[in-house]
This record gives sequence, C-alpha cells and structure tokens, in this order.
Amino acid sequence: EAGVAQSPRYKIIEKRQSVAFWCNPISGHATLYWYQQILGQGPKLLIQFQNNGVVDDSQLPKDRFSAERLKGVDSTLKIQPAKLEDSAVYLCASSFYPTGEETQYFGPGTRLLVL
Amino acid sequence: DQQVKQNSPSLSVQEGRISILNCDYTNSMFDYFLWYKKYPAEGPTFLISISSIKDKNEDGRFTVFLNKSAKHLSLHIVPSQPGDSAVYFCAASFAGGTSYGKLTFGQGTILTVHP
Repeated sequence: EAGVAQSPRYKIIEKRQSVAFWCNPISGHATLYWYQQILGQGPKLLIQFQNNGVVDDSQLPKDRFSAERLKGVDSTLKIQPAKLEDSAVYLCASSFYPTGEETQYFGPGTRLLVL
Repeated sequence: DQQVKQNSPSLSVQEGRISILNCDYTNSMFDYFLWYKKYPAEGPTFLISISSIKDKNEDGRFTVFLNKSAKHLSLHIVPSQPGDSAVYFCAASFAGGTSYGKLTFGQGTILTVHP
C-alpha cells in the first residue's frame, strides 16, 4: 500500500513570495490533515478536511494561508505572501476515520525555508 | 497554551537498558494518548497508543503507562536498541466533539541509544 505522498520535498523562497505544497493521501482515507512543524517543536495542526469539507481550520493563518481538497482526494496548501516565520516542515497526514484513536499516517513533509 | 509537554529535550541510554520517555498534559478531557517516532527527513510514524480508560498498554518492547491523576504518561522501551534512536513525540486527542481526530503534540524528545 502506497503511503502519503508530498511534493516538493524542499523549497527555498524569499519573503513575500508565494508557495504551494501538494499532498496525495492514502487511497480510501477520508480525513486529511496539514501540520506545521517549526524546528524544535512538535507538529501543529493547521487544517483538517473530512472528504472535501473543512472540519477544523482554527489555527490556520487565513490572511496568508489557504488550503483546498477538491474531489476529496489530493490537497494543496498555499502560502501567499510568505514570511520568515513560515520556515518550517509542512506535514500532510491522512486517516480512514477522524476518530481520536485512529492512527494518522504522515507523509515525509515539505521543508520550507523563507529567506 | 502548551497542553502537551515533553520536558526532556533529549535522552541518552546504553543498548540493552531501559529507555523511559515522559509526557505531561493539562487537559483532562483528552481521550487518547499516542506516541509517534520520527527519523530525520521522514514523517512521524505511529508507535503505540492508550485510551484514557486504561493505565497500561504493551506492544512488544514498548509499554505506555498512563497516570490520569497526575496527568502524566510515559513510554518504556525495553531493551533499547540503536535503531530506536529517533525523536519521540507524545500526542493527545479527543474521541468526539468538534476537535475529534485532532492531534496535539508535545515538543519531542531526542532518544539516542549507544551500542
């Protein structure tokens, strides 16, 4: 079974530029998550989708971050414009059900550096 | 508001000995607690979990203990192996409500097992 795929793996941009990350979850997983992991911290949930609907985006900086999951499969996370503090690893995860005990499967992440 | 805390940034143990990783939480409403393991340049992978109605869960060399009165959990690895060297994240989640499925992570503990 293929795991969660993410691209690109690395991205370097200058502040005020825009950037987009792509995630393809495990086949059949209805729930998709985007996390931000800043160096030295644990992952922090940015947004959670159930199929193509948003369940939780309370920690998403909506003035600059946006995310969509068209057709309930792939997802894209965009930052526009980027700030220095956005430098982090962006992790995508998926699970079959959104219950608390359900294991979430993580992709390898996209490492973003904003200069 | 750091609801899940791992106060030890790093831990070093000898191969064959016990590794004990600790985690504290503040929200008594959490229903599940999970441990994830992360190697460099990879996403976190699920290791073991425990429901809030239990005080112990064991899986091979890994055992998680939950002390609800102290809002504390620990992960025991016996015997420790060099391949266990990784960053370990403690996480907590809810079984229902509007935050179901959302994982709240600690900061992580870097475990190094010396041969």
